[in-house]
Parts: sequence; C-alpha cells; structure tokens
Amino acid sequence: NAGVTQTPKFRVLKTGQSMTLLCAQDMNHEYMYWYRQDPGMGLRLIHYSVGEGTTAKGEVPDGYNVSRLKKQNFLLGLESAAPSQTSVYFCASSYLTGQPHRWELFFGEGSRLTVL
Amino acid sequence: AQSVSQHNHHVILSEAASLELGCNYSYGGTVNLFWYVQYPGQHLQLLLKYFSGDPLVKGIKGFEAEFIKSKFSFNLRKPSVQWSDTAEYFCAVNAQNNAGNMLTFGGGTRLMVKP
Repeated sequence: NAGVTQTPKFRVLKTGQSMTLLCAQDMNHEYMYWYRQDPGMGLRLIHYSVGEGTTAKGEVPDGYNVSRLKKQNFLLGLESAAPSQTSVYFCASSYLTGQPHRWELFFGEGSRLTVL
Repeated sequence: AQSVSQHNHHVILSEAASLELGCNYSYGGTVNLFWYVQYPGQHLQLLLKYFSGDPLVKGIKGFEAEFIKSKFSFNLRKPSVQWSDTAEYFCAVNAQNNAGNMLTFGGGTRLMVKP
C-alpha cells in the first residue's frame, strides 16, 4: 500500500520554466491538498480539492494551478517558475467519514523544488 | 480564518529532559487539534489529535497534549526525551465548519536532543 506518492522528489528549474508535480493516492480519498513548506512558516495551503473535477484556492495560490481529472491524482503546475517558489511541496489526502475523531491528513514524502 | 502560533522556533534539550512545546490557536468556534512530527528527510506523521472528550490526549512514542479551551492552547509534552525525538514538530487546527476539511499549521518547532 503506497499511500500518497509524489513525483518528482527533486527538481531544479530556471526562472520562467514550467513544470508539473504529480500526487497520486491509492486510498480512495475524496480530499486532496497541496502545501508548501518554508522555514519558520510551517506548511501553507496552496490549493485543495474536495472531489474529482473540483479545485479551490488555499492560502497562497498565486503562481500555481491545479487539476483533479481523476480521483486518485492531483496535479500542481507552475506555469512560469520564480525564485520565490523555491520550497518543499507536500501533497496530502483525507477522506469523508461519519466518525470525525478518525479524521486526519496523510502526507506524501515531499518534492524539493529549487528555482534559480 | 483560523491561525496557529508556535512560540518556540528552536528547542535544544539533553536526553531525559522533559519537553513542552507551546501551541496557541485563534478561532472562536469548535476545533480539532493535531500535532504532526517530521523527522529529518521524511514526511509529516501524525503524533496525536484531539476531537472531543478528555482534554488530555495521549499519542505515539510517549507524547501527550492537553487542550485548554480557555487558553486556546494545545501544548505538546513528553516527560523524558530521547535522541530519536530530534525532529520538527507542527501544531495544526481544523475548524469543524470548514468545507474543505483543511488543516492550518503553525510555523513549527525544531527540537534537537543532545545525546
């Protein structure tokens, strides 16, 4: 059981280049999220999805786009990378439950992106 | 919108010392509270969570946290730390009425335990 898988794990881009981060989960979760992690700032939500075909903006959406064409995949795109987007990106997923005390986020291993 | 503050950014302890990491949140409604840990080079893992009931929550690896509603706090504690507890710790809050079931994280606390 792989859980939440992110590809690629590492990437170096030049300013202005584009790229896509892929998140895949095999737990049949409804919700998926993209966070970025920066020193001293914790994790900040970029975009999220509450189901296939839906996306919504989080706290820091500018410069990013997302798509959720399949329930198990959540793609994060950078159309024109900037040095300010150098960060570690984490994907997470969670599920609908009638037992709220069981709810939690499940995280991928992260993708380290450097924009020169 | 909710926010989370972790006042200790870096903590250095010797093995066997006691640990308490502070976490305060701002939100007027009902919340669920979490502590996640990130070991060096790894992804975030759930330590413990509070939804309702007993405000003293016990998690994995000997960690516990106490929810004090009047203080909007959810501090993490461990009576005796080990070198293997060296990691970054994140407090997070989920407002029960948010449609996306999102977590808002604090800035994290880096813990270094000296052997």
